[in-house]
Amino acid sequence: DIQMTQSPASLSASLGETVTIECRASEDIYNGLAWYQQKPGKSPQLLIYNANSLHTGVPSRFSGSGSGTQYSLKINSLQSEDVASYFCQQYYDYPFTFGSGTKLEIK
Amino acid sequence: EVQLVESGGGLVQPGRSLKLSCLASGFTFSNYGMNWIRQAPGKGLEWVASISSSSSYIYYADTVKGRFTISRDNAKNTLYLQMTSLRSEDTALYYCARHKVAGYFDFWGPGTMVTVSS
Repeated sequence: DIQMTQSPASLSASLGETVTIECRASEDIYNGLAWYQQKPGKSPQLLIYNANSLHTGVPSRFSGSGSGTQYSLKINSLQSEDVASYFCQQYYDYPFTFGSGTKLEIK
Repeated sequence: EVQLVESGGGLVQPGRSLKLSCLASGFTFSNYGMNWIRQAPGKGLEWVASISSSSSYIYYADTVKGRFTISRDNAKNTLYLQMTSLRSEDTALYYCARHKVAGYFDFWGPGTMVTVSS
């Protein structure tokens, strides 16, 4: 199985700051990577797919990058509504696997 | 409007069975692969099972293989998860989610809670 190592586990940043969350796969996943945002008490929502493609309706301050085994999610100009947990997921191969999540808070 | 609504969760004793349903609307259900993903209280996400649009391909996580069965009825726009030999570690919020071609989940339901306890 492909293991997804996500960091950091938690993050505190100020409004307007830029934050980066990283995911490392245990083998090459050929950009088969998605990022999700989960707000408290809500179901996850897709942000990024194919490592760097923005899902419909997602603000452009979210961006994804990476290749091979290393991927990252960047949030520019942090807004209060970005308080959430963020998860990466590889779908290059079954079983699909998720990172352990990053909890983002506002300082 | 795309909607996925899970049902069938509840409190069940260890070793017993439960069947979850996910009713889809607002899109052509038979064009999408469907999935069950779970989240234990306060924990991360765990993919459970996937079924292709025509039920030709089915995959399971090792943690549920042999105990859970995913199925779908395209005429009823409904996805199912039959869960048997339930264990305390199966306690979680169970989400259904769709995928089109690649395996990323572009829409999720609100989830149904399953609690396995005596």
